[in-house]
Parts: sequence; structure tokens; C-alpha cells
Amino acid sequence: EAQVTQNPRYLITVTGKKLTVTCSQNMNHEYMSWYRQDPGLGLRQIYYSMNVEVTDKGDVPEGYKVSRKEKRNFPLILESPSPNQTSLYFCASSPQVANTGELFFGEGSRLTVL
Amino acid sequence: GEDVEQSLFLSVREGDSSVINCTYTDSSSTYLYWYKQEPGAGLQLLTYIFSNMDMKQDQRLTVLLNKKDKHLSLRIADTQTGDSAIYFCAESYGNNRLAFGKGNQVVVIP
Repeated sequence: EAQVTQNPRYLITVTGKKLTVTCSQNMNHEYMSWYRQDPGLGLRQIYYSMNVEVTDKGDVPEGYKVSRKEKRNFPLILESPSPNQTSLYFCASSPQVANTGELFFGEGSRLTVL
Repeated sequence: GEDVEQSLFLSVREGDSSVINCTYTDSSSTYLYWYKQEPGAGLQLLTYIFSNMDMKQDQRLTVLLNKKDKHLSLRIADTQTGDSAIYFCAESYGNNRLAFGKGNQVVVIP
């Protein structure tokens, strides 16, 4: 089944404890992206990647890192999480690099930072 | 990023039509999109319209695009309980960016 898989789906952590949210897609998509969803703010892009070893900042990259060593994986790293990073995170991928509106989303990872 | 505006909440009776509106800022957007988010799930692409079109119909969904006013709407005919969700409009900008609206929650009353 074609899908985008995120782990963990739910996580409660404490300020400063490094964590990684994994994202994997099995559709051979070149484009991958991370978003956070917050009440009243909609979806905001954190980072995106056009291809392996190519990553770019989105609208809210502060406090996050990403890597794209393989085509299928695009982990989101929070080196020192803070409470303002409590959010619902979505990974997405797209088959087209030139028109990346056709996004396939994972089911989301709800992160709480205490 | 670009600014995409949506109203936040709509309730509609089952069987009626629902209309969700959105305004966007980038007149050079090639595509405009509607996504649906059901409770506890990720977003799913519902439909999209190319910027040189005024209307697109897909079964119960009708998308209208007014380029002059930068206004996009989604009409759902014969709204059903399964249509209860948050609907996001989105515009493409650059070649690889997508700006989402804040979402419009639709509640269908049986």
C-alpha cells in the first residue's frame, strides 16, 4: 500500500531532551516536506527536500533540523525541544518536484513538550 | 510565505449544499488546491484547479476560481455526514512551495 509513515504518532517529552520524528514513504517520491499544524494557524512548512541531500528551510525552521540521506526517509530532529514546539506534525511527499501541490500526508505525530 | 485566508467554521444540514471560501495572494499561482482533513488523520487532496480555468466539477464537488478577486470556492452538493472535516485551500508559489489556509471546519448536522 502506498503510504507515508510517521513515528511516533504520539510523544510526550521534556524540555531539552533531543528527539527525532521519523518519516518514510514507499512511493519513490523525490519531494518531501514537514509541516506543523497549530490551532488558528493552519499548516506551516518547517523544512522541505527536493531530492536526496537537498534540503531547504520553510516558513518556521527555527529549532528544527532535517536530513535526507535516502530518498524514502526524511527525519525531523528537535535537538533541544521547547514547549512552543508542542504541536501536531505532518510529513508529506509529492511525486512531482515542479508542481508539488499533490501532497501525500502521513497520519501525523502529536508532540507535547513539557 | 503567501497568505491564504479562510473562514473558520461552517455548519450545514445533511442534504444541503455547503460552500467554503478562500482568498489567496499570489496571482502567479499555477494551481490551487482543496484538501480535506478528517478527524485524527492527515490531509488528503480533494481536488485542484489550474489557474487558467474558472470552474471544475468532480461529482459532488464544484470548484470556482475568480482570478480577478483571487477568490476560490468549494461547493459540496448533497452534503453527507462523511463530509464533516476540516477543509484547507492551498496555493502553489515558486516551483516547490505550497501555502495553506488556516482551514475551515465543516460540521454536517444529520
